[in-house]
Amino acid sequence: SSELTQDPPVSVALGQTVRITCQGDRLRGYYATWYQQKPGQAPVLVIYGKNKRPSGIPDRFSGSNSGNTASLTITGAQAEDEADYYCYSRDSGGYRQIFGGGTKLTVL
Amino acid sequence: QVHLQQWGTGLLKPSETLSLTCAVYGGSFSGYYWTWIRQPPGKGLEWIGEVNHRGITNYNPSLKSRVTISSDTSKNQFSLRLSSVTAADTAMYTCVRTNSGYDLSTDSHYYYMDAWGKGTTVIVSS
Repeated sequence: SSELTQDPPVSVALGQTVRITCQGDRLRGYYATWYQQKPGQAPVLVIYGKNKRPSGIPDRFSGSNSGNTASLTITGAQAEDEADYYCYSRDSGGYRQIFGGGTKLTVL
Repeated sequence: QVHLQQWGTGLLKPSETLSLTCAVYGGSFSGYYWTWIRQPPGKGLEWIGEVNHRGITNYNPSLKSRVTISSDTSKNQFSLRLSSVTAADTAMYTCVRTNSGYDLSTDSHYYYMDAWGKGTTVIVSS
């Protein structure tokens, strides 16, 4: 089982806001990172650090962290946002990297 | 712009050793963790392990007994060996650069994978 626990599959209506969460004690003292993966494609980095977005990632994606919970929010979800989303961090000892189990997002 | 190019054997029989190499072009080898991840068909991402430019390694505990990751800084390359493979090791294997940062205002570290190889499909079948 993953030490970063993510939401079960989530759906959102087109244009609405959705929040995907990731919980784990490993997140204390670390910012979670979020990746988007579409079928048959490599993961894409969408959020890292204190709500940083790589070049090319729309500003409708945002991240937040509180205690042992990290959240990815998509404000005004688009059809192209339908994907699996993975949270990721390093464990508190700093010796390994961890992925969450992934959350499948469906845009209706 | 850093570019990772990976190669290695894609079809293995049970009990054989998986061997993959990743070359890093266009960027420094120092200051990063050079990482291998995998994704079995229809499943999530799994971290296999990492090596830094000093050759220090860390491994996923669930694979540690079978994994060796090494680096050759003279060639800007790092490699993965996974011994005694079984069908459960069938997956897409990808080499990745792991970057890191620190936010002073919140005393929080962060890590992120910011460069990816194209991936190698590894199938273990008799």
